[in-house]
Amino acid sequence: DAMVIQNPRYQVTQFGKPVTLSCSQTLNHNVMYWYQQKSSQAPKLLFHYYDKDFNNEADTPDNFQSRRPNTSFCFLDIRSPGLGDAAMYLCATSHDRGVGGYTFGSGTRLTVV
Amino acid sequence: DQQVKQNSPSLSVQEGRISILNCDYTNSMFDYFLWYKKYPAEGPTFLISISSIKDKNEDGRFTVFLNKSAKHLSLHIVPSQPGDSAVYFCAASEIGAGSYQLTFGKGTKLSVIP
Repeated sequence: DAMVIQNPRYQVTQFGKPVTLSCSQTLNHNVMYWYQQKSSQAPKLLFHYYDKDFNNEADTPDNFQSRRPNTSFCFLDIRSPGLGDAAMYLCATSHDRGVGGYTFGSGTRLTVV
Repeated sequence: DQQVKQNSPSLSVQEGRISILNCDYTNSMFDYFLWYKKYPAEGPTFLISISSIKDKNEDGRFTVFLNKSAKHLSLHIVPSQPGDSAVYFCAASEIGAGSYQLTFGKGTKLSVIP
């Protein structure tokens, strides 16, 4: 089945220790997104890739970076995680602007200790 | 400032009855609206969408209504089933403006009681 897979499902990292979350897709969608969702809040877009073009949201902290080495994979790097970065991180894909909806992965729950 | 608001954090409905989930938005540039369903420990799943040129879209038991003048949309589920119990997110986009961003509401937790 075509899908979006996020690894790991749960990640515990130490305060200030770099961490990488990964996302892969078999849908061959040209757009990939990273959303952050904190408890009881709406998912918030951090950035997206249109093919190889990276698009950062204006209010995304510099602490968050992303890489997309090929169509299938996209990584979220948090350079120095703080306690406030604990959240669910959702990867999503779409064909162009997503008319008909995005496809989301199951998310990675990040805990910072 | 929340541009998409779901004012009811939770809703309980008897099996077989209608579930109505509401969503309000403030950005008049939004032209495409979506509903997502999310089960615990899973990512959101696309449910149904509507373009701003329409006022209704139906897919099986799910119907979305859009009232542009009131900046309000609603999702109707008829009849409600226990498997519909989940968190429902309303989302909006400015596709005509070339945006790739979905702006989400905080979600409404629906519980369908057998």
